[in-house]
Amino acid sequence: ILNVEQSPQSLHVQEGDSTNFTCSFPSSNFYALHWYRWETAKSPEALFVMTLNGDEKKKGRISATLNTKEGYSYLYIKGSQPEDSATYLCALFRGGGSQGNLIFGKGTKLSVKP
Amino acid sequence: DAGITQSPRHKVTETGTPVTLRCHQTENHRYMYWYRQDPGHGLRLIHYSYGVKDTDKGEVSDGYSVSRSKTEDFLLTLESATSSQTSVYFCAISANRVVNYGYTFGSGTRLTVV
Repeated sequence: ILNVEQSPQSLHVQEGDSTNFTCSFPSSNFYALHWYRWETAKSPEALFVMTLNGDEKKKGRISATLNTKEGYSYLYIKGSQPEDSATYLCALFRGGGSQGNLIFGKGTKLSVKP
Repeated sequence: DAGITQSPRHKVTETGTPVTLRCHQTENHRYMYWYRQDPGHGLRLIHYSYGVKDTDKGEVSDGYSVSRSKTEDFLLTLESATSSQTSVYFCAISANRVVNYGYTFGSGTRLTVV
């Protein structure tokens, strides 16, 4: 069974705080890692797709890094805002070629208090 | 969500009845997926399709079947609904070369089996 682990499970921060969470995955046969943002009552939205060891991606105040050799990725949010409150999912792509699919972690639920 | 719609949005059905959920896309994407979301489990893959009439099982496929007779539609059927299939079902699509693109998710179908 392929396990994608995310920590912490939930996080409460004050507006303006910077925060980060972790996604851990098996490092063998790596293809890609995805990050999604999932607001309550909405659908998950893709943030980043990362494929290379050492990859760093950034979108506004959110950034992510990838270490495929040790099997982890970090998601950072700088200066958290209430609108950043959401569940952040990471997902490991398995399988190559024309098939394959994503295995999701259980997510980190972020709550940002004004 | 633009380009992908799920129907129905909500459904209540009785134990033992067959139920079909529909996912329709206008993006002409090759890949389509069905996930279920349950508290404590995150998103779990039920079935996926990598082309017309090409489907494969995910990690929680028991009790479900799928069909894809044309690019735009991916149907999920619960052959004989059980209470354990009460869940929120999400359809997702992605373009070719899944490794490089994130998924686009539908708005979800909330299914209650009584």
